[in-house]
Amino acid sequence: QLQLQESGPGLVKPSETLSLTCTVSGGSISSSSYYWAWVRQPPGKGLEWIGSMYYSGGTYHNPSLKSRVTIFVDTSKKQFSLKLSSVTAADTAVYYCASLEYSNRWYFRYWGQGTLVTVFS
Amino acid sequence: QSVLTQPPSASGTPGQRVTISCSGSSSNIGSNTVDWYQQLPGTAPKLLIYSNNQRPSGVPDRFSGSKSGTSASLAISGLQSEDEADYYCEAWDDSLNGWVFGGGTKLTVL
Repeated sequence: QLQLQESGPGLVKPSETLSLTCTVSGGSISSSSYYWAWVRQPPGKGLEWIGSMYYSGGTYHNPSLKSRVTIFVDTSKKQFSLKLSSVTAADTAVYYCASLEYSNRWYFRYWGQGTLVTVFS
Repeated sequence: QSVLTQPPSASGTPGQRVTISCSGSSSNIGSNTVDWYQQLPGTAPKLLIYSNNQRPSGVPDRFSGSKSGTSASLAISGLQSEDEADYYCEAWDDSLNGWVFGGGTKLTVL
């Protein structure tokens, strides 16, 4: 089964860019069987989908975040990454990377353990 | 305000059957399948039900899902203390062109 692991800074200053990477093992990041996604969870709150990317480049972004989000895949490193620009305190959350699989529709099959990012000056 | 609406809390005693509802609209649940996730305290979400009523391998058959119109439900029978967790529904939304989650339901086993 796939295993995913997030990595990146735990502290980001307001107005700067949050950068996280997800390393994938147990499967091919170039496989047409998977979509790759980022989901976040503010402290004490629910899940919010950020964006998703197919290995070949097709992307979807949450409309509420779209202009600030960049997601890209590095197949050589078996990684996909998230960049969220112009962060504020509202972006403080646990960030999860996830893999999606398909059965009638894509669903979030495997999740990383999550990494807490705090926006703090 | 989440696009999919779930009750904030639910409870039951060991052995009981509980259901958690998820209400949406024609652009999400009404035209797409629903998935459910279990999040135990301090851990990442885990897939519980996909495609309305399918269980991944390893998920006990005590968990079941259903969908009717623009609503879906997760049922847990033979409730156990280890079922105490947050549960989230999720679906694709054709209008938003993205995935949407419910606000989550905190299940307490009394």
